[in-house]
Amino acid sequence: QSVLTQPPSVSGAPGQRVTISCTGSSSNIGAGSDVHWYQQLPGTAPKLLIYVNSNRPSGVPERFSGSKSGTSASLAITGLQAEDEADYYCQSHDSSLREWVFGGGTKLTVL
Amino acid sequence: EVQLLESGGGLVQPGGSLRLSCAASGFTFSSNAMSWIRQAPGKGPEWVSAIDGGRTYYAGSVRGRFTISRDNSKSTLYLQMNSLRAEDTAVYFCAKEVVGAPAADYWGQGTLVTVSS
Repeated sequence: QSVLTQPPSVSGAPGQRVTISCTGSSSNIGAGSDVHWYQQLPGTAPKLLIYVNSNRPSGVPERFSGSKSGTSASLAITGLQAEDEADYYCQSHDSSLREWVFGGGTKLTVL
Repeated sequence: EVQLLESGGGLVQPGGSLRLSCAASGFTFSSNAMSWIRQAPGKGPEWVSAIDGGRTYYAGSVRGRFTISRDNSKSTLYLQMNSLRAEDTAVYFCAKEVVGAPAADYWGQGTLVTVSS
């Protein structure tokens, strides 16, 4: 059972827009902790996609965006492409556990 | 180019010990906080431990059994793992932290630790 809750799977056709939610609690996202997003392709290490809620590292396409509100956060992907098919994880910091916490992951399928 | 190269993984019996190493290059190692993050087969990532200039931090699941350390002269991060359990089986990643934020912007390729008799 992950501290942060994500939908197990989402899907969309090429060119479409999809969103992935990440729900936390008053001890992490709701306490003001920032949310970060990672993309993991099969057999590779996770790659930072969004940091501090809505910032893109250099090299990450503008098609990827993040937002945060209350105890939740969202990752949006526009103009879906086949290479976006991967697992996506949200991550934050929990002040009660005093640990980084991850979501259980969402598998994105491009139809 | 930032590079992180882990080593030291392998098969170990329950109750045994292992030391992981992570050789870093391409950035000022001594100025950056570093973390170990693991991922069990088919599961999501799990943060294990972090170290900054002088402080260490641990997940509750490993506190008292694992020790993180660094040698800035060698640009190398370590994780000493004692009293290993089956549930410690995972790929262990070394990661460089984002400056000013508890997130990982660069990850190594990982090293597999298998705890089994």
